[in-house]
Amino acid sequence: GQNIDQPTEMTATEGAIVQINCTYQTSGFNGLFWYQQHAGEAPTFLSYNVLDGLEEKGRFSSFLSRSKGYSYLLLKELQMKDSASYLCAVSDSNYQLIWGAGTKLIIKP
Amino acid sequence: ETGVTQTPRHLVMGMTNKKSLKCEQHLGHNAMYWYKQSAKKPLELMFVYNFKEQTENNSVPSRFSPECPNSSHLFLHLHTLQPEDSALYLCASSQGRESYNEQFFGPGTRLTVL
Repeated sequence: GQNIDQPTEMTATEGAIVQINCTYQTSGFNGLFWYQQHAGEAPTFLSYNVLDGLEEKGRFSSFLSRSKGYSYLLLKELQMKDSASYLCAVSDSNYQLIWGAGTKLIIKP
Repeated sequence: ETGVTQTPRHLVMGMTNKKSLKCEQHLGHNAMYWYKQSAKKPLELMFVYNFKEQTENNSVPSRFSPECPNSSHLFLHLHTLQPEDSALYLCASSQGRESYNEQFFGPGTRLTVL
C-alpha cells in the first residue's frame, strides 16, 4: 500500500529552527509537496521537490532524498504565525497526491 | 472574487436531507478536485475532474454525487448521509493534472450530519 509518515505534533520556540520529517512509500514518484494549513483555513502551497537536494525559499527550505524515500521541511527564525499544520504529499505514478496526516507545529514564546 | 471559493462554509444536515456543496475557481485552471478532511487523518481524494471530465472516483459511496458543468464550477450533491460523513470538504484546482502543478484550495465546507 501507499503510505506517508510524519510526526503528529512538534513544539518549538519562537526564533528557533525546526525540522519536520516525512517518509513515504508510494507506487511511483512524481514529486513531493509541502503545504501549510492554519486552523480553520485552506492548505496553502509551500514547496515542490522532484529532484534530490535542498530547495530554499526565504525562511523555509525543503529537502528530498528519493533513494531513501525521505523529505524534510526546515523552518528558520520561527515566528508565532508559523503555528500551523504542515502537510506532506507525494504525487504517485498516476499523478494522484497521497497525503500524510499532517504535523501540528506549536510555537511557544 | 479571486482564487477558489466554496459555499456554504458551514452546513448542518439530517440523514434524510439533500444538499449541495458548490466550488468555483477564478484561476483559469483545468483540473478540479474534491477532498474529505477528517480530524487527524490524511486528506482523502474523492473525485477529480480534468477538462470537465471525471477522471477519478476513489471508491466514494454513491450518496456523494459530483457534477462539473464547466471547468470553473464543481458541485458535490449529498443525500442520505451518515454521521461518519461529518468532516471538512475541500475543493481544489490546478492548471493541469501533471505532477508539478500545485493545487489551490478553497476554504472548505464544514459539514455536520446529525
